[in-house]
Amino acid sequence: DTGVSQDPRHKITKRGQNVTFRCDPISEHNRLYWYRQTLGQGPEFLTYFQNEAQLEKSRLLSDRFSAERPKGSFSTLEIQRTEQGDSAMYLCASRPGGGILYGYTFGSGTRLTVV
Amino acid sequence: AQKVTQAQTEISVVEKEDVTLDCVYETRDTTYYLFWYKQPPSGELVFLIRRNSFDEQNEISGRYSWNFQKSTSSFNFTITASQVVDSAVYFCALTQGGSEKLVFGKGTKLTVNP
Repeated sequence: DTGVSQDPRHKITKRGQNVTFRCDPISEHNRLYWYRQTLGQGPEFLTYFQNEAQLEKSRLLSDRFSAERPKGSFSTLEIQRTEQGDSAMYLCASRPGGGILYGYTFGSGTRLTVV
Repeated sequence: AQKVTQAQTEISVVEKEDVTLDCVYETRDTTYYLFWYKQPPSGELVFLIRRNSFDEQNEISGRYSWNFQKSTSSFNFTITASQVVDSAVYFCALTQGGSEKLVFGKGTKLTVNP
């Protein structure tokens, strides 16, 4: 297992365009998370999946953001009509179920730049 | 509400010095978990330690040690005999028991100079 994989690593897009990011968690992890990290700040929680069910969404996740995890495996995060304020690192994490006995494993992130 | 404060924005030390990174947290829950993560320039958050609120024992792992004090709501991290490879941004994080959301501090950027 190679850990949590995110694609692409970098994305530059023009304002108003739509972008989609992919996260492949560790295969036996049924919980998957998306975080956003802006420059000089700590990661901020966006949303969480248990298997294919999206169980929690942050107020940070505006209507332009949507996340899916259709088969309980990989997940996608889509941002519609991107704005310059969406420029950030988008981090995905996963962990096994069964309570918080284990640390969350993070991917290397997708760095989005909106120009 | 939960909050994590890392008051030190940047720290610079010379190799072999000891360095302590401070973390102060706020939570109303009696059951919670504290974490430290390391973020090297590559961007990936590397898990270092998890501590639950009922376990106040300090922990040592090689050159790393952690001091958890509920009385002062602090969970400080010390690197002994720092090395250049320790240069990174270090984040302290908190989650309540039963919550899936990690709340991070703003991080401390550590630079270890040769």
